[in-house]
Amino acid sequence: KNQVEQSPQSLIILEGKNCTLQCNYTVSPFSNLRWYKQDTGRGPVSLTIMTFSENTKSNGRYTATLDADTKQSSLHITASQLSDSASYICVVSVRNYGGSQGNLIFGKGTKLSVKP
Amino acid sequence: DGGITQSPKYLFRKEGQNVTLSCEQNLNHDAMYWYRQDPGQGLRLIYYSQIVNDFQKGDIAEGYSVSREKKESFPLTVTSAQKNPTAFYLCASSSWSRTETQYFGPGTRLLVL
Repeated sequence: KNQVEQSPQSLIILEGKNCTLQCNYTVSPFSNLRWYKQDTGRGPVSLTIMTFSENTKSNGRYTATLDADTKQSSLHITASQLSDSASYICVVSVRNYGGSQGNLIFGKGTKLSVKP
Repeated sequence: DGGITQSPKYLFRKEGQNVTLSCEQNLNHDAMYWYRQDPGQGLRLIYYSQIVNDFQKGDIAEGYSVSREKKESFPLTVTSAQKNPTAFYLCASSSWSRTETQYFGPGTRLLVL
């Protein structure tokens, strides 16, 4: 069964500190992995996308890693800011093939709270 | 929020009533999607459409209906058959395939009176 598991479920850190969010997946055949940021009461916004051959991708203070062998990804946030308080969602794409339209498997998200 | 708008931001439904959520995009995307988000759960796909006048059921289509008469618009109707409609509803669009980057609207929160 295709699944995406995220940990921790929630996290509280102090402003200026770094943190790492985890995403483990059992998806096959794998196409790509995205991290989205969702502010409370808003729609998700894409942060990074990584394909099978990529193992690191950065977007400002956000750095995502992918280990396709162990089927794990992480999102590292450097020098956190109050505006980083949000839910972070890991989404894995099932590859299109043989006429299949492909599919997206969503994790439940990690809720990050950054405190002053 | 990009080029996707959803309205209203909040919607109240009475028992036995059908309500329609609006979704419009100006990104010239072929594909559009409706998701439901409940607390502590991942997004679940309700319906999607990859071309005008065609749409497919997602994982939780029961109690919902959609139409795609224009490329820019993909309204979702929550019917009285949906017994637990309270949730946050998100509309998204992508260039053509589900596995392309999807751009989300700001969402509509549906509450039952």
